[in-house]
Amino acid sequence: NAGVTQTPKFQVLKTGQSMTLQCAQDMNHNSMYWYRQDPGMGLRLIYYSASEGTTDKGEVPNGYNVSRLNKREFSLRLESAAPSQTSVYFCASSPKGVGPGGYGYTFGSGTRLTVV
Amino acid sequence: QKEVEQDPGPLSVPEGAIVSLNCTYSNSAFQYFMWYRQYSRKGPELLMYTYSSGNKEDGRFTAQVDKSSKYISLFIRDSQPSDSATYLCAIEGANAGKSTFGDGTTLTVKP
Repeated sequence: NAGVTQTPKFQVLKTGQSMTLQCAQDMNHNSMYWYRQDPGMGLRLIYYSASEGTTDKGEVPNGYNVSRLNKREFSLRLESAAPSQTSVYFCASSPKGVGPGGYGYTFGSGTRLTVV
Repeated sequence: QKEVEQDPGPLSVPEGAIVSLNCTYSNSAFQYFMWYRQYSRKGPELLMYTYSSGNKEDGRFTAQVDKSSKYISLFIRDSQPSDSATYLCAIEGANAGKSTFGDGTTLTVKP
């Protein structure tokens, strides 16, 4: 099925451990995004990539790094996990390139991360 | 102040009711307006998007935008139990490249 694939679906980390969340889309979309979703706080943008080779910080980038490996893949890395990073992480993609937007996003099914 | 504020809910209605979900935004530069539906433990899915004031209809769903009041709404007619979900509004500037989301309103439609 076409769409956005995220791995893993669930993960438990100990404080200080590192991990990489993987995201891939097969819709030939230009832009890709990482959001976190916490109860009562909605979706908050961590990083985004408007095109292959470019990345930009969002609202809550501290503690995270990203890599746009190619047009299809956009990974999110936690170098030293903290309990405050316990959340549900969503990857999304959009056809938007340079120019007007408003296309909306296609989201993956999410990664539920717990840091103990 | 948040860029987009969404009526928090939760909202509980009987089957067949008309549902109104609402958001306000603060910056008149926002040009694009989206509504997403998110079922429990799933990713959001795009329901509708629009970029002009007025109404846009898709089946039982109508998105309404009032740019002069900076107010957007989603109406659901003849609501069904399968409409039970969290609804998120999202707004985007003309060339911003990224959307800002409301916190969501959880809707329950009771049979």
